[in-house]
Amino acid sequence: RKEVEQDPGPFNVPEGATVAFNCTYSNSASQSFFWYRQDCRKEPKLLMSVYSSGNEDGRFTAQLNRASQYISLLIRDSKLSDSATYLCVVNEDGNKLVFGAGTILRVKS
Amino acid sequence: EAQVTQNPRYLITVTGKKLTVTCSQNMNHEYMSWYRQDPGLGLRQIYYSMNVEVTDKGDVPEGYKVSRKEKRNFPLILESPSPNQTSLYFCASSFRGGSTGELFFGEGSRLTVL
Repeated sequence: RKEVEQDPGPFNVPEGATVAFNCTYSNSASQSFFWYRQDCRKEPKLLMSVYSSGNEDGRFTAQLNRASQYISLLIRDSKLSDSATYLCVVNEDGNKLVFGAGTILRVKS
Repeated sequence: EAQVTQNPRYLITVTGKKLTVTCSQNMNHEYMSWYRQDPGLGLRQIYYSMNVEVTDKGDVPEGYKVSRKEKRNFPLILESPSPNQTSLYFCASSFRGGSTGELFFGEGSRLTVL
């Protein structure tokens, strides 16, 4: 079983749609959680951290469910520029970041 | 400009020919790490370094070596490359390891081993 699992997609959505990605992790001792964004043939970049109480940054909302060991990312009012691969990242022991394989999002006009 | 610089960006080589991928950061970060990215597998950590002269194995260290003689540089060495090391490699750095979650990545080095 992979340590961090994501639905690979692709998720094909029209502009303006709301889309949600889930990610599950296997290590119940994991300490912190993040979403990264990776554009095609580019390096990953931090999108947002995920806090226990949930957090929002503009059109993006991230939530954590420790009991069920999953995190989610919700994107509202999708833009063409949101097309990318979204990586779920889990910090297991303070130093080790474990990356999911990513979920592909394609926003179409 | 704050950045992580990797070289070469693209390389085609043959089995057994030693190569080095350089990585340099100008942010005075203590933590540096190497990852490889393969389709369907995500980013897997090869080696990481918490500071100068301190290096540790990641999840897939076989066939790789690293060194950290200076804070800014963290080269990745393939002593005898094999075709299964064909991959996209990323170097990353951060101020305090994985705890903050914010890694700064280089642009990647695409390596093909024939």
